Amino acid sequence: QVQLKESGPGLVQPSQTLSLTCTVSGFSLTSYNVHWVRQPPGKGLEWMGRMRYNGDTSYNSALKSRLSISRDTSKNQVFLKMNSLQTDDTGTYYCTRDAPFAYWGQGTLVTVSS
Amino acid sequence: DVQMTQSPSYLAASPGESVSISCKASKSISNNLAWYQEKPGKANKLLIHSGSTLQSGTPSRFSGSGSGTDFTLTIRSLESEDFAVYYCQQYNEYPYTFGAGTKLELK
Repeated sequence: QVQLKESGPGLVQPSQTLSLTCTVSGFSLTSYNVHWVRQPPGKGLEWMGRMRYNGDTSYNSALKSRLSISRDTSKNQVFLKMNSLQTDDTGTYYCTRDAPFAYWGQGTLVTVSS
Repeated sequence: DVQMTQSPSYLAASPGESVSISCKASKSISNNLAWYQEKPGKANKLLIHSGSTLQSGTPSRFSGSGSGTDFTLTIRSLESEDFAVYYCQQYNEYPYTFGAGTKLELK
């Protein structure tokens, strides 16, 4: 059974770095791509970036200077790090598998506030 | 980036009615278009991919059409469980982009 689960701090201070973990089960990170998508409160979805099955990464150019995606295949985990957070980075962050996105995590709410 | 223009933003309908949602891409995306359903407290659900292919488990009252730049999601004979927010997404090129969403409300 394919599952993805996001975890991380619910609250981050402005200008700080966000670190999120996506823990997957039911499939191998060396066979499938994992993407990060976020959604500000009451707004639409934004694709952030992707960890490819072979370890390559792609990023949304709007976030590229602040964003880093990595993984630990032995732990079945994909990591997202984004620095210089601002209040408009508040939202729910999802990890998903491949595209089209048939499998989504439940999402983790991140609030950027002092 | 490929801009996805989704309309309408809001749609009010009654059970049993049929509705359609439009999604227009700023350039050709072939048939690399997906439709998702969003409901509070539930994981986003993939309804249709490749423009018109129903994902396993999607009821047959849902249908998708189009290719290139113009796509449509149609829901026939609405049921109470269909009232939700719907998004289109292109996965033809990076960055993948989504429409702004359509909120389908009970009239």
